[in-house]
Amino acid sequence: GAVVSQHPSWVICKSGTSVKIECRSLDFQATTMFWYRQFPKQSLMLMATSNEGSKATYEQGVEKDKFLINHASLTLSTLTVTSAHPEDSSFYICSARPMGEETQYFGPGTRLLVL
Amino acid sequence: EDQVTQSPEALRLQEGESSSLNCSYTVSGLRGLFWYRQDPGKGPEFLFTLYSAGEEKEKERLKATLTKKESFLHITAPKPEDSATYLCAALNAGNNRKLIWGLGTSLAVNP
Repeated sequence: GAVVSQHPSWVICKSGTSVKIECRSLDFQATTMFWYRQFPKQSLMLMATSNEGSKATYEQGVEKDKFLINHASLTLSTLTVTSAHPEDSSFYICSARPMGEETQYFGPGTRLLVL
Repeated sequence: EDQVTQSPEALRLQEGESSSLNCSYTVSGLRGLFWYRQDPGKGPEFLFTLYSAGEEKEKERLKATLTKKESFLHITAPKPEDSATYLCAALNAGNNRKLIWGLGTSLAVNP
């Protein structure tokens, strides 16, 4: 149980284009989903917290107009990197928290490379 | 300030050589202490959640314990497939309910 999927697993795009990453909780409902970014050999950096049906809460220093988050249902959240630049290249990981629980379950991650 | 510190940064063991990883935390009003395993290029895999001092949980060769200041992840008779980075995170009692992450312990188990 508590499986979270992400799609795509990796993406290469040209500078200036937008990329959408999907995060789905497959066997549970999640009122809250989280988006993280991880640089090589570093721990996870929380970008934003997404609650179903409401606007996401972004961490300090994260541009909300650049990283658009939508949490339209209890099983799906999306992260759109708009006008991507090479410095946005990173490993993006989502997590989902089942209703009534404190534990976050993570997706497999999406590797983004912007050329 | 809430903080989680993991030690050692890296650990190399021989197969079958038991050891422990440490996670020290200073968090206001701990709501939970979490252990995850992360393989290269993958998202963290959930291992354990501990809620109160004295609590212990086990899964195969792993056992997690919790005190008021730290948590230990004990690995008994490790195998090469236990090689991974082990991450510890603490959830505070604040309204934001964010996880505070340690930097992880990179474990290598040699056959």
